[in-house]
Amino acid sequence: GAVVSQHPSWVICKSGTSVKIECRSLDFQATTMFWYRQFPKQSLMLMATSNEGSKATYEQGVEKDKFLINHASLTLSTLTVTSAHPEDSSFYICSAGTGAAAALGNYGYTFGSGTRLTVV
Amino acid sequence: DAKTTQPNSMESNEEEPVHLPCNHSTISGTDYIHWYRQLPSQGPEYVIHGLTSNVNNRMASLAIAEDRKSSTLILHRATLRDAAVYYCILTFEKLTFGTGTRLTIIP
Repeated sequence: GAVVSQHPSWVICKSGTSVKIECRSLDFQATTMFWYRQFPKQSLMLMATSNEGSKATYEQGVEKDKFLINHASLTLSTLTVTSAHPEDSSFYICSAGTGAAAALGNYGYTFGSGTRLTVV
Repeated sequence: DAKTTQPNSMESNEEEPVHLPCNHSTISGTDYIHWYRQLPSQGPEYVIHGLTSNVNNRMASLAIAEDRKSSTLILHRATLRDAAVYYCILTFEKLTFGTGTRLTIIP
């Protein structure tokens, strides 16, 4: 089955530094990737949608200059949290889909295992 | 985005069937109905999806109402490993999660 690898699984960083999270589709080409964040005991909040080779589409209220998303290839998307602060501490999750069927909803998306970011 | 409504929590006995309901009265004709589940500290896992007809796979069955305003995820024989938060999502171009149903399995 489709596998999405997310790295690192956890990271601790100092306030003011930047952190990069990678999301790789291991056995399929991901034309669309989604990035989410999840606070404890809450649901997933969609941050942005990225399509290979084009700029990401951010959800309302998500700062695109703070959460930089790059989807340069069909197997890799990255999320960089710039100038991280303690309030950015959260569980970040990516998911990937492929092809026109994914864009229309007729495809089950595969999720990464998540990255727990702690900013101290 | 069209919204879904799910009960906050449900309990079921182990080895019995579980029916998880979802209401989506504002569903549009292009929306697919997706179900995902999430275990603690893990990314969600795809369960099943459908458009109009009922669907079966190795994990579960999806029963879709004729008017498509509601659906039910059916786990035929619950195990302890099925304890998770189950999300019903309407999707056309993106996945937006609601609050989901926390399913507890009683041994």
